[in-house]
Amino acid sequence: AQTVTQSQPEMSVQEAETVTLSCTYDTSENNYYLFWYKQPPSRQMILVIRQEAYKQQNATENRFSVNFQKAAKSFSLKISDSQLGDTAMYFCAFMKLNTGTASKLTFGTGTRLQVTL
Amino acid sequence: KAGVTQTPRYLIKTRGQQVTLSCSPISGHRSVSWYQQTPGQGLQFLFEYFSETQRNKGNFPGRFSGRQFSNSRSEMNVSTLELGDSALYLCASSLSPGTGLYEQYFGPGTRLTVT
Repeated sequence: AQTVTQSQPEMSVQEAETVTLSCTYDTSENNYYLFWYKQPPSRQMILVIRQEAYKQQNATENRFSVNFQKAAKSFSLKISDSQLGDTAMYFCAFMKLNTGTASKLTFGTGTRLQVTL
Repeated sequence: KAGVTQTPRYLIKTRGQQVTLSCSPISGHRSVSWYQQTPGQGLQFLFEYFSETQRNKGNFPGRFSGRQFSNSRSEMNVSTLELGDSALYLCASSLSPGTGLYEQYFGPGTRLTVT
């Protein structure tokens, strides 16, 4: 079974600053995806970024980027130029790929990020 | 393109009753997954449907069931409700398996309160 660990329950960052959220995972699989989702107070779960395990290049989406260290099983999210709208709970998620078909998401416990003025 | 829709958004039920939640995926998405979110257990996978067939099931009792229709819409049912079933139930849709696009897109959720 896969496990996802987010060791930072809460974090705070000032507007325009950079913050990094940590995530580690445990798996014996070699073929998988990793995701970061954000859940603002509205509770709508929003996909932030994805990373395929077979890709060495770190994924980037505008102000969001990841540091994927496959050997260390680490998948951190960096948010640059933080904005008030980034205030949310952030979940790291793992998806095992089984013979080319999609599978379930295994989530971490989340990191609550507060962006302040 | 419209997102994932879930109905109802809020629901209050009494212990022992049953409830049915509905989910309409993004147009063109044929896979639907359900998750339960609680403060104590976090986000837990319930089941996944594709082509009207349950492909994956999480570790939940048989009181939790689901189905998918030919138009990819999905329903989940919880029978004999318990207080512990109070949760936010999230539905997520994704493209067909094997497309190489595995992102799951979530609906706004149904907040179920069992009294």
